[in-house]
Amino acid sequence: SYELTQPPSVSVSPRQTASITCSGDKLGDKFACWYQQKPGQSPVLVIYQDNKRPSGIPERFSGSNSGNTATLTISGTQTMDEADYYCQAWDSSTVVFGGGTKLTVL
Amino acid sequence: HLQLQESGPGLVKPSETLSLTCTVSRGSISSTGFFWGWIRQPPGKGLEWIGSIHYTGSTYYNPSLKSRVTISVDTSKNQFSLQLSSVTAADTAVYYCARLNIPPGNYYFDYWGQGTLVTASS
Repeated sequence: SYELTQPPSVSVSPRQTASITCSGDKLGDKFACWYQQKPGQSPVLVIYQDNKRPSGIPERFSGSNSGNTATLTISGTQTMDEADYYCQAWDSSTVVFGGGTKLTVL
Repeated sequence: HLQLQESGPGLVKPSETLSLTCTVSRGSISSTGFFWGWIRQPPGKGLEWIGSIHYTGSTYYNPSLKSRVTISVDTSKNQFSLQLSSVTAADTAVYYCARLNIPPGNYYFDYWGQGTLVTASS
């Protein structure tokens, strides 16, 4: 079965750039999306189709996908961006989630 | 904006069947271009996709759960449902329903319910 691998945690200082990676075999040949989940809340889609932002998602969120790695980038990270982030792709008629990355802003 | 709301028992006994319903409002479950899905999250852990259904009844299931899962749809009530049989403590989780947007090869969940905690315990 297909697997997506994320680092368990990433730390960033306020106003700096945070990068969260998601690795999978030939992931660049698929579309990747990203969700943000804050404690006690439902996940929120922040990036779809590799690099598109849904309405209402700040411009500081961006995405890329090439080779075996998709990357979520948060520019000018704010304390409100502290959350868990999950990547997701579609493979062989199944939805696959990454294990999640806890982003700490300190 | 589309809204989804999960409902069902919060406590299920081991070996019994977990049953949840998702009610879709401010939109039609019969809209083309979408599937409807169930995702769960055990306490303190990550997201796990359970399965998804189209309003026509076509389904996709997580292979690791397929033998125990049934997802069905009732277009007259604008609802879809999850049944998970033979539950154990490992099935304790927050269960979310969500809309799966399906441009070709590009599947993502764009609307989520608030989630409901189901505990498997005697």
